[in-house]
Amino acid sequence: SQQGEEDPQALSIQEGENATMNCSYKTSINNLQWYRQNSGRGLVHLILIRSNEREKHSGRLRVTLDTSKKSSSLLITASRAADTASYFCATARITNSKLTFGKGITLSVRP
Amino acid sequence: EAGVTQFPSHSVIEKGQTVTLRCDPISGHDNLYWYRRVMGKEIKFLLHFVKESKQDESGMPNNRFLAERTGGTYSTLKVQPAELEDSGVYFCASSHLLGLTSGTDTQYFGPGTRLTVL
Repeated sequence: SQQGEEDPQALSIQEGENATMNCSYKTSINNLQWYRQNSGRGLVHLILIRSNEREKHSGRLRVTLDTSKKSSSLLITASRAADTASYFCATARITNSKLTFGKGITLSVRP
Repeated sequence: EAGVTQFPSHSVIEKGQTVTLRCDPISGHDNLYWYRRVMGKEIKFLLHFVKESKQDESGMPNNRFLAERTGGTYSTLKVQPAELEDSGVYFCASSHLLGLTSGTDTQYFGPGTRLTVL
């Protein structure tokens, strides 16, 4: 069964608005990572949050993790057209182990 | 610091042929992972090397796939013979072994190899 599931599957917003993407997972984890993929390009690592952390920030990104609900959210504030991409959450059950990905969220930011 | 590189970026082959994909991890990264994404599906794990040893190959779909990492540096993934369902994007990722740095085990991905089997 799929470990990570993001929602919504597609999100369209206006430049300057905030974008919130959610991810749910099924099993216990060591860490959860968010990645971005621009069309036809590789995966770019955005942020890693460990199971003993609740919130992390990186620039305009804010990630939260609720292990009791087995869910995470990625907030992009003041979105830009350049944020248009697919976003994936991926979980690792133990450190230094394989990642299990969701299907991804397609974010479109309209100029 | 150079990122993870993969070669080729695209490969188009006929069913039954052999293809070899190459991945060069970030220098000093002992962990190397292979993943793939077939059309419309999620990115799936194939296998994990720690240095030259296979740590986890639970995601390898069948014995037509052979991965190697001689010397613990670059890795190759060979598909022989290729089938139509092997088409997709093959990603490689690398990371530090925990404990050697500040404890990060972030996986850094390469740009992927798009494989098309006709």
